Amino acid sequence: GQNIDQPTEMTATEGAIVQINCTYQTSGFNGLFWYQQHAGEAPTFLSYNVLDGLEEKGRFSSFLSRSKGYSYLLLKELQMKDSASYLCAVEHTDKLIFGTGTRLQVFP
Amino acid sequence: EAGVAQSPRYKIIEKRQSVAFWCNPISGHATLYWYQQILGQGPKLLIQFQNNGVVDDSQLPKDRFSAERLKGVDSTLKIQPAKLEDSAVYLCASSATPGLAGGDTQYFGPGTRLTVL
Repeated sequence: GQNIDQPTEMTATEGAIVQINCTYQTSGFNGLFWYQQHAGEAPTFLSYNVLDGLEEKGRFSSFLSRSKGYSYLLLKELQMKDSASYLCAVEHTDKLIFGTGTRLQVFP
Repeated sequence: EAGVAQSPRYKIIEKRQSVAFWCNPISGHATLYWYQQILGQGPKLLIQFQNNGVVDDSQLPKDRFSAERLKGVDSTLKIQPAKLEDSAVYLCASSATPGLAGGDTQYFGPGTRLTVL
């Protein structure tokens, strides 16, 4: 079966750092994506990891450990506009399998 | 570059009625996906097209859902008859390469929010 777990909700303060974890158990793995989705809008691509390690892109970084079936998305210098859902998705056989998403609320 | 277009943005119908959604992918994108996203959940793939052929429709409830992609460009998704549990956002996405090679991402449209009463 396919199982992707993320925390349902997180809160953080403007200017802080937050880490959103994702663990997965899938029958195959070709890469892991993170998407951001604001309420009522389409998911937008944030990052992609296929090899173990950290990928940094501005305020956002994503880490992958294939042996542990684990990834995290790190958001630094949080801004109010970062309030959104963050979706972890595993790529397998040309398809994306999404987790349920983590709803992040950033407070002033 | 124009993004993925979808219409309508919102639709309210009564159960047992039929409804159709339209998607126009990014120009030149070979692969098109339809997802169902129920409130509070992640998107679930319904069907994947490569050009005008179906690659995967294993999670499409074929007794009531149908989809086509004529000429390998635009696509329509139809529900007939609709049930209460079909209330969701229906997202269309497209990607340039079939296999998401090298992290080629899927680009999503704004979605159609369907409410079944």
